[in-house]
Amino acid sequence: AQSVTQLGSHVSVSEGALVLLRCNYSSSVPPYLFWYVQYPNQGLQLLLKYTTGATLVKGINGFEAEFKKSETSFHLTKPSAHMSDAAEYFCAVMKYNQGGKLIFGQGTELSVKP
Amino acid sequence: GAGVSQSPRYKVAKRGQDVALRCDPISGHVSLFWYQQALGQGPEFLTYFQNEAQLDKSGLPSDRFFAERPEGSVSTLKIQRTQQEDSAVYLCASSSSSGGAGDTQYFGPGTRLTVL
Repeated sequence: AQSVTQLGSHVSVSEGALVLLRCNYSSSVPPYLFWYVQYPNQGLQLLLKYTTGATLVKGINGFEAEFKKSETSFHLTKPSAHMSDAAEYFCAVMKYNQGGKLIFGQGTELSVKP
Repeated sequence: GAGVSQSPRYKVAKRGQDVALRCDPISGHVSLFWYQQALGQGPEFLTYFQNEAQLDKSGLPSDRFFAERPEGSVSTLKIQRTQQEDSAVYLCASSSSSGGAGDTQYFGPGTRLTVL
């Protein structure tokens, strides 16, 4: 079965430091890959996604992620954290020909210290 | 113009009551999804509609859960005889096309259901 693993349920960084949120998936066929962000009491907002083409994907708010097939990973990075980045981040996969349902990881809560 | 909306935003039910949760997708979006998000967890898929057809209901946890989208627009998720384990945030999402292919899903703010 398809699964998504996010390493670290809580990550804390200082403002201006590098943000690295890890995501690994299990699948014999690379799925489509997504990162969503969730602010308190709000729905999920798409940060970026990988479908085909260039494996380094740039998203909103300065985030980017790289699809590495050999490592079955899709880690999310941002060079310099901002206080407004504090939120819950979810990695998700979508398998081909399954109607588009998303399978989410458990989430990583990002805290940003001043 | 507006995004996905859900109502009510908060619902408190006594155990055994029936509840109905509404989702208004983005106008013209073909696909509609329901997810359940327990506290501290990632969302879990419940069911999927393409227009009015319910194509996948494999995630519905029991026969107490029922979803419909009769005119291919607004959808309602109904939970009968609610139990405490049904307490969660119920998220609705819509996308503009059908069949996956990496389409972006746009999420509503969710309905937080608390069963006492």
